[in-house]
Amino acid sequence: RKEVEQDPGPFNVPEGATVAFNCTYSNSASQSFFWYRQDCRKEPKLLMSVYSSGNEDGRFTAQLNRASQYISLLIRDSKLSDSATYLCVVPLANQAGTALIFGKGTTLSVSS
Amino acid sequence: NAGVTQTPKFRVLKTGQSMTLLCAQDMNHEYMYWYRQDPGMGLRLIHYSVGEGTTAKGEVPDGYNVSRLKKQNFLLGLESAAPSQTSVYFCASRDSNYGYTFGSGTRLTVV
Repeated sequence: RKEVEQDPGPFNVPEGATVAFNCTYSNSASQSFFWYRQDCRKEPKLLMSVYSSGNEDGRFTAQLNRASQYISLLIRDSKLSDSATYLCVVPLANQAGTALIFGKGTTLSVSS
Repeated sequence: NAGVTQTPKFRVLKTGQSMTLLCAQDMNHEYMYWYRQDPGMGLRLIHYSVGEGTTAKGEVPDGYNVSRLKKQNFLLGLESAAPSQTSVYFCASRDSNYGYTFGSGTRLTVV
């Protein structure tokens, strides 16, 4: 298994839809997980951290399943402005969590 | 404004030329990183530093060197540029277990 894998998509959804992205990781010792958002030709920006108990921030919910080694991001009531690439981020193996590895990203396109 | 600043923003190099990309952060972060991003490849870690005077190799370090002489600066050097190094380079810094703060990127073309 690669360190981090994501379905590249694209996911094409209408406004108001609910969409979910999954990401699998290989380093079972990983402690810190994140979802980043990247707009075209821009730098990635932190969307949310992923906690063991799951966490929610408005329309966004992140879940962690340690047993199966995957994390998920759920977006409810999609907006046009949610169109972007979503990057799953996990620690680089054997680096004590000091360096992060990015998935290749899942592209979301929300249409009216 | 606080954050990560990368210079230059754009550069065109000829094969074999050298250059240095500068990353500066004013958040007093210990950790700094250099990534490259290519179409279909995602962000790949080149080198990183866990503190002033330290550097470590990432996933794709070949052809690059780095230095962290001051805590706020992390330099990425290309000694002899190759077309395969055409990419967008992102610098980031981080404090403890929080996520990264990225610079706006350097678009490098090697012809």
